[in-house]
Amino acid sequence: DTGVSQNPRHKITKRGQNVTFRCDPISEHNRLYWYRQTLGQGPEFLTYFQNEAQLEKSRLLSDRFSAERPKGSFSTLEIQRTEQGDSAMYLCASSPRGGARDPDGGELFFGEGSRLTVL
Amino acid sequence: AQSVAQPEDQVNVAEGNPLTVKCTYSVSGNPYLFWYVQYPNRGLQFLLKYITGDNLVKGSYGFEAEFNKSQTSFHLKKPSALVSDSALYFCAVRDPDNAGNMLTFGGGTRLMVKP
Repeated sequence: DTGVSQNPRHKITKRGQNVTFRCDPISEHNRLYWYRQTLGQGPEFLTYFQNEAQLEKSRLLSDRFSAERPKGSFSTLEIQRTEQGDSAMYLCASSPRGGARDPDGGELFFGEGSRLTVL
Repeated sequence: AQSVAQPEDQVNVAEGNPLTVKCTYSVSGNPYLFWYVQYPNRGLQFLLKYITGDNLVKGSYGFEAEFNKSQTSFHLKKPSALVSDSALYFCAVRDPDNAGNMLTFGGGTRLMVKP
């Protein structure tokens, strides 16, 4: 399967611990996105990369969150000092193209997500 | 700021009947609109989009959506529902002028198709 891969699929941690999620996008996709989805809600944008550059971050991404895409391929999302409010599904998506006025921008390929439970 | 509303948490329809899942949006300027579907234990999948042109757009699995600018709506439709269409459906909007192409999603509507 050459789709978007996310690991781990499930993570249970205690409050105050650090967690890291990994996303492997579809190869050749230069755009990579992180979204967060809580129960009963739609996905909310967190941040996005074009190649290795992190170009935009949502206000939802507090100082405890950091994302990287060091070689423009896989990406990691780290949450430090987790809080119970961080419990959610963290979704990664990639896209081969996009840009202002690009009609193909917004067609995202999503992974299955990484579910975080903070006790 | 842009926003999307899906007024129904759940839509129930009998197999073979037509279905409609509602979506309204709020955005300055002309929107780019999307529908995504989420099956259990699967990632979100792109269904269809409206960019410009014909107000009726066709997508995957026999779905279509109608863009109505005066009502700021983009309802998802299918003439004959299948049990396998049961899933969570999300409407989303994108600012065409934003280079990042970030999507703003609605809260989702669960579609239940009963045999």
